[in-house]
This record gives sequence, structure tokens and C-alpha cells, in this order.
Amino acid sequence: SQTIHQWPATLVQPVGSPLSLECTVEGTSNPNLYWYRQAAGRGLQLLFYSVGIGQISSEVPQNLSASRPQDRQFILSSKKLLLSDSGFYLCAWSVVRGSGANVLTFGAGSRLTVL
Amino acid sequence: GENVGLHLPTLSVQEGDNSIINCAYSNSASDYFIWYKQESGKGPQFIIDIRSNMDKRQGQRVTVLLNKTVKHLSLQIAATQPGDSAVYFCAESFSGNTPLVFGKGTRLSVIA
Repeated sequence: SQTIHQWPATLVQPVGSPLSLECTVEGTSNPNLYWYRQAAGRGLQLLFYSVGIGQISSEVPQNLSASRPQDRQFILSSKKLLLSDSGFYLCAWSVVRGSGANVLTFGAGSRLTVL
Repeated sequence: GENVGLHLPTLSVQEGDNSIINCAYSNSASDYFIWYKQESGKGPQFIIDIRSNMDKRQGQRVTVLLNKTVKHLSLQIAATQPGDSAVYFCAESFSGNTPLVFGKGTRLSVIA
């Protein structure tokens, strides 16, 4: 069965410090991978998605970046965090089914607080 | 996205009553719709999905209704329980690899 791991679960960082959130998927090959951000009490904002190694699509211009060094690994990074980067970051994966359905499965999330 | 900056609407329901959560989607070309449930501090979890060639689909205690004429999707939860308290998101998709587009979410509070 497929599983998705996301870490760290909780992170408190000072403004201006770097960030690295990691996500790995097991039990599937060539998944689509996604990073979403969710501010407290808000909806889901798509940040990046990837359909293959080295292929990254950015949805929102900001000081964050994403990389996919391996098929089942997706990393969210920042060189200098801003206060506005605080939020709940969610990694997700999907494989498009024969029916065309693109069902996302989410990780447990990483809560980032920038002070 | 335009929905992410809005505070979530809240629906309060008495335990045992039925809940109806509504969602308006934007793209008439969308051919696949999903409902997710997100409990506090956790990632969203898949509940039920429906293809555009259907107008109703039932699961365990949940029913999804699709009205393509008015681009409206609803999730009905029968005999709502305290464990149903969560934020519910609808999502739409119109092609295989295109990311899901999520609605703004609704917070369901179950009153015991």
C-alpha cells in the first residue's frame, strides 16, 4: 500500500532563517507531487506541483522553492523565511487513474511558525 | 487562489440530524469532483468522489449530489456524529495531471 511521510511535523524558525520540509512517498512509482499551504482557519493554497523528476510548476510567486531530486521525494525550501510564511504545509501525491480521476492523498502536514 | 484568503463558513448541526454542505464550482469543463474531510491539525482525507456523468453517488452515511446546470455540488451526511466535526472541502478536476482546484471549505460543528 502507498504511504506518504512528511517531516518535520512542527517547526519554529526565526525570520530570515532557511527552511527545508521534506516529503517522501512509498509504494508507488512516478506520482504527481504537490505542496499546499494552509493559513489558520483558511483554505488550501497550491504552491508547487511536479509531474516528474526535476519538473516543478510554481503556482504562487514567493520566496519559497521546491525540488524533486528523486521520483518519490519532494522538498520545499526557503533561503530566508518571512513572518508571512507561517502556516500548515501539506504534501500530497496522486496517480491519475484510468478513469482520469486525479485523487490526491495528503500527508499529515508540517506546522511552521516564523517568529 | 481566490478562496484561500477567506475565513471558513461554519455549519452547526445537532447530533443525529442530517448535514448538508454545499459547494459552488467554477469550471463547467470539470469532469471529476471530490469531497475531503480535514480534522484539526491533520491533512485532508478523501471522503467520496463523483464523475460528471453522474448526479448522485452514495457512500456510508454520505451522499454527494452534483448539479451541472448550476455548477453546484453538495455533501449530505446522515445522522451526524461528533466525529464528523471537521472542515470539509470540495475539489474539482478537469484533466488528468492538472492539480485539483479546492473550494473554500466549510467548518462543520456537531452539537452534542
